[in-house]
Amino acid sequence: GAGVSQSPSNKVTEKGKDVELRCDPISGHTALYWYRQSLGQGLEFLIYFQGNSAPDKSGLPSDRFSAERTGGSVSTLTIQRTQQEDSAVYLCASSPTLGLATQYFGPGTRLTVL
Amino acid sequence: QKEVEQNSGPLSVPEGAIASLNCTYSDRGSQSFFWYRQYSGKSPELIMFIYSNGDKEDGRFTAQLNKASQYVSLLIRDSQPSDSATYLCAALNAGGTSYGKLTFGQGTILTVHP
Repeated sequence: GAGVSQSPSNKVTEKGKDVELRCDPISGHTALYWYRQSLGQGLEFLIYFQGNSAPDKSGLPSDRFSAERTGGSVSTLTIQRTQQEDSAVYLCASSPTLGLATQYFGPGTRLTVL
Repeated sequence: QKEVEQNSGPLSVPEGAIASLNCTYSDRGSQSFFWYRQYSGKSPELIMFIYSNGDKEDGRFTAQLNKASQYVSLLIRDSQPSDSATYLCAALNAGGTSYGKLTFGQGTILTVHP
């Protein structure tokens, strides 16, 4: 079956612009996660959704970052007024349920802020 | 102090040898632990997970968990050049609003040379 998909695969933007990153989880997976990976760094947790709810937003780096999920499926991560330090690979993962279930990762979106 | 710590390496082993990757965690409430492999420029892929003390074997891979010592390891037997990648250890948060969140270590770079 289809895995987690993300779009765009690459995004180059100018400092100060807004960007939207999309994640389409595996069908039927109720939990969805966003991570960020900067060059040579480990994965940094940003936010997760159980259904359409996001119980833990503590990982979002600043108020310029927001995320939503609709219909228990597609999620969008929005970064407003992008800064150069936002440049990273943004990874989305999904799992059948929250907790012990394995998280499956998408291919990521590479964001470059000039 | 990082919640999940790994030796960043690089760890270099000859082909056919056993590669030993180690990970420690600080949250005693963590229940499950995951090992992901990440090739350069690719997204993480799950190798195996473990949640009971002791060893868990899957082919050439063995995960070991010692909750008393808060220590997780991954052994790769008969290492192959294709095993060369970054190995990420992750701990699953046990409860509260962070339940389901994976906390990743920085990753260990493994190089298997012919």
